[in-house]
Amino acid sequence: NAGVTQTPKFRVLKTGQSMTLLCAQDMNHEYMYWYRQDPGMGLRLIHYSVGEGTTAKGEVPDGYNVSRLKKQNFLLGLESAAPSQTSVYFCASRGGSSYNEQFFGPGTRLTVL
Amino acid sequence: KNEVEQSPQNLTAQEGEFITINCSYSVGISALHWLQQHPGGGIVSLFMLSSGKKKHGRLIATINIQEKHSSLHITASHPRDSAVYICAAYSNYQLIWGAGTKLIIKP
Repeated sequence: NAGVTQTPKFRVLKTGQSMTLLCAQDMNHEYMYWYRQDPGMGLRLIHYSVGEGTTAKGEVPDGYNVSRLKKQNFLLGLESAAPSQTSVYFCASRGGSSYNEQFFGPGTRLTVL
Repeated sequence: KNEVEQSPQNLTAQEGEFITINCSYSVGISALHWLQQHPGGGIVSLFMLSSGKKKHGRLIATINIQEKHSSLHITASHPRDSAVYICAAYSNYQLIWGAGTKLIIKP
């Protein structure tokens, strides 16, 4: 099992450009999450999904969109990148029980110039 | 006041010492998650617990639901334990994150 993978690992964008981050999990997990982590800060939830075809807003959703067309994939889109979106982005997934831990991807380091 | 609070924020200890990191929460939870973030950035799940105590190697996690408090202990600490330790409370579908405890173990 690869667990949770993220693509790409690093990316540099110019202000106004768009991009999509891909998260994939091979554990048949129901729930998937996108977080951002700014330097010296904790994780903040951007969006999450409780199942295929569903998405919901987290703590900091503005400027991002997500889609969960397939159970194993959770995409995070930036339509018009801003320097404030420079961050490390983590994806996570977990099974359906309340007692299931979250498994994290390795992160994507995004810089917006 | 944050819904999940950790203490201490920073902890430096000598190799071999017994380490305790505390986590208090004010929300109703279904479970509490302890995670470790390495200096390189990777995040690893350590424990998920909803009652009692769990042990894995030199790591022990306890939770007291009535007191809304959890602790993470590290026995015989080692420099490779140096990392940020994070507790997060499961409430509804989401994790409510503590700010993390930065642990440095000196040889």
